[in-house]
This record gives sequence, C-alpha cells and structure tokens, in this order.
Amino acid sequence: GDSVTQMEGPVTLSEEAFLTINCTYTATGYPSLFWYVQYPGEGLQLLLKATKADDKGSNKGFEATYRKETTSFHLEKGSVQVSDSAVYFCALSEAGGTSYGKLTFGQGTILTVHP
Amino acid sequence: EAGVAQSPRYKIIEKRQSVAFWCNPISGHATLYWYQQILGQGPKLLIQFQNNGVVDDSQLPKDRFSAERLKGVDSTLKIQPAKLEDSAVYLCASSGGQGALHEQYFGPGTRLTVT
Repeated sequence: GDSVTQMEGPVTLSEEAFLTINCTYTATGYPSLFWYVQYPGEGLQLLLKATKADDKGSNKGFEATYRKETTSFHLEKGSVQVSDSAVYFCALSEAGGTSYGKLTFGQGTILTVHP
Repeated sequence: EAGVAQSPRYKIIEKRQSVAFWCNPISGHATLYWYQQILGQGPKLLIQFQNNGVVDDSQLPKDRFSAERLKGVDSTLKIQPAKLEDSAVYLCASSGGQGALHEQYFGPGTRLTVT
C-alpha cells in the first residue's frame, strides 16, 4: 500500500537558518504530494502541493519539488523564523483508482526555531 | 467563510464507555473525512463520505466504531465500547469534491483520552 516516510526526530534551528525536512514516499500510481503544517493549538493547514513529477510547490517561503526518480518531496526554506515553529506533515493522495482523495500522512516532524 | 467545526474539543472517558464526536463541514462541501491521529503519528483515515454515502471505510474498526452523515451535511463518529488504544485526536476534514486535486480543510480536532 501507499506510505510516506519523514525524517525522524525533532528539528531545532536558530532563526535565519536553512531548513530541510526529508520526505520519501511509496505509491502504486501517480500521486499528488502535499505538505501540511500544524501550528500550536491549531488545526492542520495545507502548506503547499505538487500534482505531477518535477512540479515545485511553494508558499510562505517554503518550497518542495516532486522528484519521481527518487520518490521524494523534501521541504526547504532558506531562512526560518520563530513563527515557523510547528509540526510538518508530508502526505500523498493517489490521483485515481479507488483512493477517492484519501490522504496518507507521514509521522510528522516537529520544528522548533529559537531566536 | 466558516471553517470545519468539531465538538467537543476534549473528552475523557473510562474504557468500555461510549463516546460521540460531532463535525460540521464547510458549507457546500460534499466530501467529509474522519481521521484518527495517535500521538507521535500522522493522521490515518477512518472513513470518507461523499454526501451521505460511505466511499471508504476500509480502516474503520467496525466492531466498535460507527459513523453517519444522514443529511449529507454534519456527521457523527461514535466509539462503543472504547479501548485504551483509542486515545487519540479525531480530526474531521471536508473538501469540495473527491480526488487528490480538491483541498481538504481540517477542523481543530477532538482529543480523546481513555483511562
């Protein structure tokens, strides 16, 4: 079945540092890929998405490129801020078949940014 | 535009008791999802509705969990009897249609603790 694997362990950075959160996936078809963010005390929000190979999703300074050859969708930001502290989830959704848009999530990565 | 509403926000029950959660999706959204998020893991789909019909309930533990969406609008998820391993956050999401291209909007979740 479909699965998503994120880098393990919380990430702690200083403000203005470069961020990478790794995400790899396994899917039977041609999925769409997503990054969701959960800020403290809030619900999950879509951060960015990419629907086909080589697409780049971007939002709020975050970027991720759909790499079919390496089955990856790593999240990057050039300069993080304290306000980026949150839990980040990588997810996929099969574009067709019987998935009907179901999201399959990774385990989440806790990001803490210090001033 | 009002977001996805869920209640209660928190619930503590003893094992073998029953509990119900309520979700009101964004107005006009035909697709409704219930996800279970165990601490330290990503959300996992329990059940998906399209209007008032079930599209996918393959991961719903049907011996104890049930869900309904009688009028194609709000939905309830019930657990009877609850087990310790049911302790989790229950997330409701809605989207304007089925498929990976329709963004899912998440509610704040209901945190269930089973003692």
